[in-house]
Amino acid sequence: QAVVTQEPSLTVSPGGTVTLTCGSSTGAVTSGHYPYWFQQKPGQAPRTLIFDVGNRHSWTPDRFSGSLLGDKAALTLSGAQPEDEAEYYCFLSFSDTRRVFGGGTKLTVL
Amino acid sequence: EVQLLQSGGGLVQPGGSLRLSCEPSELTFKNYWMHWVRQAPGKGLVWVARFRADGTGTSYADSVKGRFTISRDNAKSTLYLQMSSLTSDDTAAYYCIGTGPRSYWGQGSLVIVSS
Repeated sequence: QAVVTQEPSLTVSPGGTVTLTCGSSTGAVTSGHYPYWFQQKPGQAPRTLIFDVGNRHSWTPDRFSGSLLGDKAALTLSGAQPEDEAEYYCFLSFSDTRRVFGGGTKLTVL
Repeated sequence: EVQLLQSGGGLVQPGGSLRLSCEPSELTFKNYWMHWVRQAPGKGLVWVARFRADGTGTSYADSVKGRFTISRDNAKSTLYLQMSSLTSDDTAAYYCIGTGPRSYWGQGSLVIVSS
């Protein structure tokens, strides 16, 4: 089964920019993996930030953007705010069967 | 606004069974793949099962295959996860997700497997 990798933790300064990445043990991540990015704050259910590479949800702040960067999916936060401190998970689709989450990135805004 | 309202969950003994429900409001099943995912206490998200938007197929994680069944009642617009032969490793918060034109999450259902 494919393994999806994310940075375990990252720190960004308020107002700064940070990029989270999502890689696959099977090779390059492409649009065919339909990458999703979810945000989860402590004690809350996750919510969708980005779907299908770079589409924002209606509630997703413009400072979040999704893309393919090299052989990975990427979530870039530009102008970090204290409320962006959370766990971020990527989610990839493999063929027409399995779906796999990354291990999550704990983002600290400090 | 679309909401996925979950019900079910609770405390169950090892070897027991439980059914979770997920009722989307203002979401058309035929346009959405529906998934169940889970999160053990203090751990990350794990995909459990999915139901194709067109209703033609299901898929499961190896850890639950043969024990869990995902199903959908189109008349009731409700998604289910029937869980059996439960073990302590199945203790987790379970979430339903719809993925399609947008992506929505349920509020979660806590399942505790313990004697």
